[in-house]
Amino acid sequence: EVQLVQSGAEVKKPGATVKISCKVSGYTFTDYYMHWVQQAPGKGLEWMGLVDPEDGETIYAEKFQGRVTITADTSTDTAYMELSSLRSEDTAVYYCAMLGTRLDYWGQGTLVTVSS
Amino acid sequence: DIQMTQSPSSLSASVGDRVTITCRASQGIRNDLGWYQQKPGKAPKRLIYAASSLQSGVPSRFSGSGSGTEFTLTISSLQPEDFATYYCLQHNSYSLTFGGGTKVEIK
Repeated sequence: EVQLVQSGAEVKKPGATVKISCKVSGYTFTDYYMHWVQQAPGKGLEWMGLVDPEDGETIYAEKFQGRVTITADTSTDTAYMELSSLRSEDTAVYYCAMLGTRLDYWGQGTLVTVSS
Repeated sequence: DIQMTQSPSSLSASVGDRVTITCRASQGIRNDLGWYQQKPGKAPKRLIYAASSLQSGVPSRFSGSGSGTEFTLTISSLQPEDFATYYCLQHNSYSLTFGGGTKVEIK
């Protein structure tokens, strides 16, 4: 059974950095890109970027370029998303997702609250 | 970046109604598009991949069509469990883009 299990909720102050993990099981980690998606409260889905676990190559959405770092650790089959210089608008649920052609699996989501 | 314009942003419908949601891409994306359903507090779930292929386990009342710049998700007979928000997602470019979403509410 494919599972993507994310780390727990975080509360951060403005200007801080948050790092969320996404541990996968049930498939070969290096076979699929890992994507990260942001969803602010009451808002739509926003694609943040992806990592190719095979070689660590990343692509980031322009909106998050310079503030987001997505990595993959093949020794633990875990992907990470780090978002820096947090502001109140970054309060959101963050999802990791494996979006294959026929396969589509998502983590349960991690709520990040940015508040002073 | 490719922009995805989804319409309508919301709609009210009754059980048994036929519902159509549209996504328009700012440039041609072949059939590199999926449709997702999201219920409150849950992760999105893909219904359609490659514009018109039904994801395994998804009821056949859901269908997708289109290619290039115009895409449609159709629910042939709306069921109570279909009240949710729907999104399209293009993956033609390495920078993916979601549509703005369509909230389907009970009339």
